[in-house]
Amino acid sequence: DGGITQSPKYLFRKEGQNVTLSCEQNLNHDAMYWYRQDPGQGLRLIYYSQIVNDFQKGDIAEGYSVSREKKESFPLTVTSAQKNPTAFYLCASTTKQGSGELFFGEGSRLTVL
Amino acid sequence: AQSVTQLDSQVPVFEEAPVELRCNYSSSVSVYLFWYVQYPNQGLQLLLKYLSGSTLVKGINGFEAEFNKSQTSFHLRKPSVHISDTAEYFCAVTLGGFKTIFGAGTRLFVKA
Repeated sequence: DGGITQSPKYLFRKEGQNVTLSCEQNLNHDAMYWYRQDPGQGLRLIYYSQIVNDFQKGDIAEGYSVSREKKESFPLTVTSAQKNPTAFYLCASTTKQGSGELFFGEGSRLTVL
Repeated sequence: AQSVTQLDSQVPVFEEAPVELRCNYSSSVSVYLFWYVQYPNQGLQLLLKYLSGSTLVKGINGFEAEFNKSQTSFHLRKPSVHISDTAEYFCAVTLGGFKTIFGAGTRLFVKA
């Protein structure tokens, strides 16, 4: 079955450590996204990529980095510069020819100890 | 600037009662409208979408929504809810196919 796979589902990190969240899709979608979800704030866009080897900052990119070396993969690194990284992170994708309907992974919950 | 406002942060309702989750949007250009549902500790999944045509759209699990252009609203309704409908619901608009703006979410709590 086609879909988006995020890993790990749960992750604990000590302050000052970088951590990378994986996102892989086999839907042959062009665009991929990373969102951050905090209670009561909806989803906020961190980064997005419309094509391989290209990506753009979203609304809250500070303290995060991404890469898009393959169409299927869009990993997110939460760096030590991110002041409040504890959150639920969601990866999504969509096709260029579509309406913008997003397909989501199951999410990764990051807790900083 | 575009924005999405979900007017209720929480909606408690008894099982088998009707429910309406309200969504208003602001945009100077044409948009596509969506409702997504999120169950605890999971990703979002599409409930329904409005792209064009009939203003009443039907989705999965018995939900429907009506697009009202004059009031810039896209309210979600279900005539009779089940316990299993307890979840968080997000209204969203997409501009030009690539950028999606989400509302803050409405937590629906169905009581027995």
